[in-house]
Amino acid sequence: EAQVTQNPRYLITVTGKKLTVTCSQNMNHEYMSWYRQDPGLGLRQIYYSMNVEVTDKGDVPEGYKVSRKEKRNFPLILESPSPNQTSLYFCASSLSGALAGGRNEQFFGPGTRLTVL
Amino acid sequence: AQSVTQLDSHVSVSEGTPVLLRCNYSSSYSPSLFWYVQHPNKGLQLLLKYTSAATLVKGINGFEAEFKKSETSFHLTKPSAHMSDAAEYFCVVSDQGKPRYGNKLVFGAGTILRVKS
Repeated sequence: EAQVTQNPRYLITVTGKKLTVTCSQNMNHEYMSWYRQDPGLGLRQIYYSMNVEVTDKGDVPEGYKVSRKEKRNFPLILESPSPNQTSLYFCASSLSGALAGGRNEQFFGPGTRLTVL
Repeated sequence: AQSVTQLDSHVSVSEGTPVLLRCNYSSSYSPSLFWYVQHPNKGLQLLLKYTSAATLVKGINGFEAEFKKSETSFHLTKPSAHMSDAAEYFCVVSDQGKPRYGNKLVFGAGTILRVKS
């Protein structure tokens, strides 16, 4: 089944304790992206990756890191989490980035609900 | 820069009556437009998309949307609401004109649809 998977689905942690949220897709998609969802704000892009070893900042990158060593995986790293990073996080992927010019549908993972105390 | 405004944060309808969720967009280039739906505690699912073909777009579950360039609108409609339509709906714009940003999506703040029996 074609899908985007995220782990963990739920995480409660404390300020300053480094964590990683994994994201994996099995559709051979080039483009992957991370979003955070906060009430009344919709989804905002954190980082995106056009392809392996190519990543760039989205609209709200502060406090986050990403890597894209393999096509299928795009982990989100919080080196020193803070309470303002408590949110619902979504990973997404699509077939292509630049060539598609934004026409391709993005497929979303199930979400990771993170609470930072 | 592109932006999306969803004109209603909450919409309440009775089962069997029409649904109208309003969306206005701003884009410097020829946009792609999407509607995504998020059911409680679920990920996001694509309802429909407009990518400069037919201006009236039909999606899943009986939803459709009409792209009106002169009004910069992309309202979502359904002739008859069903209880299962209760969810949050996001209008999304993707900029086709900037390859550097690949498949960047900009989300509206969301509209919560409530369906009364």
